[in-house]
Amino acid sequence: GAVVSQHPSWVICKSGTSVKIECRSLDFQATTMFWYRQFPKQSLMLMATSNEGSKATYEQGVEKDKFLINHASLTLSTLTVTSAHPEDSSFYICSAGTSGYEQYFGPGTRLTVT
Amino acid sequence: KNEVEQSPQNLTAQEGEFITINCSYSVGISALHWLQQHPGGGIVSLFMLSSGKKKHGRLIATINIQEKHSSLHITASHPRDSAVYICAVPPLQGAQKLVFGQGTRLTINP
Repeated sequence: GAVVSQHPSWVICKSGTSVKIECRSLDFQATTMFWYRQFPKQSLMLMATSNEGSKATYEQGVEKDKFLINHASLTLSTLTVTSAHPEDSSFYICSAGTSGYEQYFGPGTRLTVT
Repeated sequence: KNEVEQSPQNLTAQEGEFITINCSYSVGISALHWLQQHPGGGIVSLFMLSSGKKKHGRLIATINIQEKHSSLHITASHPRDSAVYICAVPPLQGAQKLVFGQGTRLTINP
């Protein structure tokens, strides 16, 4: 089956620093990648949608300058949290979509900002 | 915008019981997803269906397009089935991004 990986699986960083999270589709080409955020005991919230080679589309309320998304190839998308703040601590999940309606989810990255 | 409602929100059962989790949505869709999230956080895609019924092992998913309703069934439940089960649909027909239900927290006791 289709596999999506995320790296790192968890990261701790200090306030003010930036952290990059990678999302890779390992055995298929993803036309679209989605980035989600999840707070404890809450559902996933879509942050942005990215297509290879074009700018990401951000959901309302998501700061595009703070959450930089790059979709460099059909198998790789990155999310960079810039000037991280403790309130950015969360579980970040990516998913990769094909040309149909399938979506395959990554295992998630737990970010803790101290 | 599509609204997604799951029931029940929490479900505790004994090992071996037959489990049913329900999902209702408000707007016509192209496909509905059932996802499983274990305590560690990782999400597994269980099913994507647009009509009828799908089966994988002890899991069965059904959808009724006319009634805008889907169910996820687990037969012969096991403690390892304990997880949060999430229903997700596109916000608009034809959209690829998803709107998620609030999840059903399932606990299977031995």
